[in-house]
Amino acid sequence: DGGITQSPKYLFRKEGQNVTLSCEQNLNHDAMYWYRQDPGQGLRLIYYSQIVNDFQKGDIAEGYSVSREKKESFPLTVTSAQKNPTAFYLCASTGSRSKTSSYYGYTFGSGTRLTVV
Amino acid sequence: AQSVTQLDSQVPVFEEAPVELRCNYSSSVSVYLFWYVQYPNQGLQLLLKYLSGSTLVESINGFEAEFNKSQTSFHLRKPSVHISDTAEYFCAVSETGGSYIPTFGRGTSLIVHP
Repeated sequence: DGGITQSPKYLFRKEGQNVTLSCEQNLNHDAMYWYRQDPGQGLRLIYYSQIVNDFQKGDIAEGYSVSREKKESFPLTVTSAQKNPTAFYLCASTGSRSKTSSYYGYTFGSGTRLTVV
Repeated sequence: AQSVTQLDSQVPVFEEAPVELRCNYSSSVSVYLFWYVQYPNQGLQLLLKYLSGSTLVESINGFEAEFNKSQTSFHLRKPSVHISDTAEYFCAVSETGGSYIPTFGRGTSLIVHP
């Protein structure tokens, strides 16, 4: 079955360390997104990419970086510049605008819980 | 820019009772509306969406939501809840003709008691 795979499920980061969260999809979706979820705050957009080799900052991009070298993959790096990285990170995707049923409505991965130790 | 308000952070209810989770939005243009459900330590799943047409939309597991343009609301309802409906529910809105990217509410925790 098609879907989005996020790995690892749990990740621990030491102070001053960069870590990379993986997101892979086999849905042939064009657009991919990274969200951060904190208790009681809903979802906040970090970065998104609507086409390979192109991406845009979301509302809270500082301290994060991404790449989109392949359609299937959209890894997120949490850098040492992110002062409060402990959170639940969610990756999502949508189809193209021409395919209405898959464009309007995210498919989400199962998330990565990042903890600073 | 659009915004979403979920009026209740937590809704406790007994099994087989009806429930309503409230969602209001603000936007200067036409909108698309969504409800997502999140079970513990999992990602979100799309529950239902309103794009156009009938203002009453239904999900396969008995939830329904009604788009009310005059009241800028999209409340989620279920006539009889089950223990398995215990989860976090998120309302989201995106503006038509824009980048599509939705704004999410802060979520409502539905807790179903036996």
